[in-house]
Formats: sequence, C-alpha cells, structure tokens
Amino acid sequence: EDQVTQSPEALRLQEGESSSLNCSYTVSGLRGLFWYRQDPGKGPEFLFTLYSAGEEKEKERLKATLTKKESFLHITAPKPEDSATYLCAVHHAGNNRKLIWGLGTSLAVNP
Amino acid sequence: DARVTQTPRHKVTEMGQEVTMRCQPILGHNTVFWYRQTMMQGLELLAYFRNRAPLDDSGMPKDRFSAEMPDATLATLKIQPSEPRDSAVYFCASGLRGVETEAFFGQGTRLTVV
Repeated sequence: EDQVTQSPEALRLQEGESSSLNCSYTVSGLRGLFWYRQDPGKGPEFLFTLYSAGEEKEKERLKATLTKKESFLHITAPKPEDSATYLCAVHHAGNNRKLIWGLGTSLAVNP
Repeated sequence: DARVTQTPRHKVTEMGQEVTMRCQPILGHNTVFWYRQTMMQGLELLAYFRNRAPLDDSGMPKDRFSAEMPDATLATLKIQPSEPRDSAVYFCASGLRGVETEAFFGQGTRLTVV
C-alpha cells in the first residue's frame, strides 16, 4: 500500500539545537517529494521539491535530502520562528493527480 | 502580494444545512485543488481542476459534496446536507501546473457542523 510516514510526530528543541525530521515512503515510481511548512491557523507553505535520490536543497536553516526510501529535513541551529508543523507529500507514478501526504511533524523551538 | 483567498474563514452550521465555501485562486494559475484536513487523516484531496475543468473528484463523497469553477477567479465547494463528520478545515490551493509542482494554499475554512 502506498504510504507516507513522518517521524517523530512531535519534536521540541532548544534554540540552536540542530536535528532532523524524517519522511519515509513506500510508493512505486517516485515522481517528486514535497516539503511544506504549516503554521497554526494557516495553509501549508511550500518549501522544497526533490525529484531523485541524492538530491539536496537548502533554504536558510533548512536542508532537505532524498534517498530511495526516505527524505530528511535537517534543521541547523533552529530559531523559535522555525516552530511549525512540517508536512511531507509524495507524488508517484501510479497516481497522477494526487499527492500522498504524511501527517506531519510538529516542531517547537524554545528560546 | 498574490495569494489564494478563501471565504468564510470560519463556519458553524447545524447538521442538514447547506454549506458553501469559496476560493479565489492566484491570478494566472490554471489549477485549483480542494483539500480537507483533519487530525486523524491529515490532508486529503477532494477535487482538482485544470483550466476550470474538473479532472479528479474521486476524493469527494458524491452524494453530498460538489465542486465547481464558474469562472477562472472563483472556485466553490458545496456540502448539502452537511453532517458532523464533515467538520474539518477545508483548504483551497492553486498552482501553475498539476500536482507535480508547488501549490499555493489559502488560509482555509474551518467548518464545524453541530
């Protein structure tokens, strides 16, 4: 069964404490993996798209990487404003019009 | 500042009533998505339009949900009759192509059916 699993469900960090969020997927024919950020009461905001294993993308303190089975969102020296829910979604060959979304990781960064 | 606009932001209604949610996609975007988000299921795609034509609405309960794009600046999602299990946050998103590219989400409509 096609599935996207994010871990951990929740993560609490101290400001400056680097960590990684995981998105593992079991789909056939990956066409793209997306990372979004969602703040409370708002819609998801696009961060990155990764298309092939080995690809990496960076934006400020965030770096996304992709392997054949999972993606990591690395957060370096996080700040309180990085607190949000991070969502992962997968577009695969068997489902042209849909993304399979994970449930997200809720990140809290304490000052 | 281009953004997707959704109205209303909040809606409380009684079971059995009709609910209409509206979305104004970003000007120039030709794809529009309707999503539902709940704690248990996460984001679920309800319907997907390209150039105002419905391409996929397999995620919608057909007996009570309907989605339309009367024109390029307006998408609507209607629930009739509403049920308590429809309580969720409904998001509209628009994009330049299909699901293979980034989507821009609105702020959502929080629906509560009592």
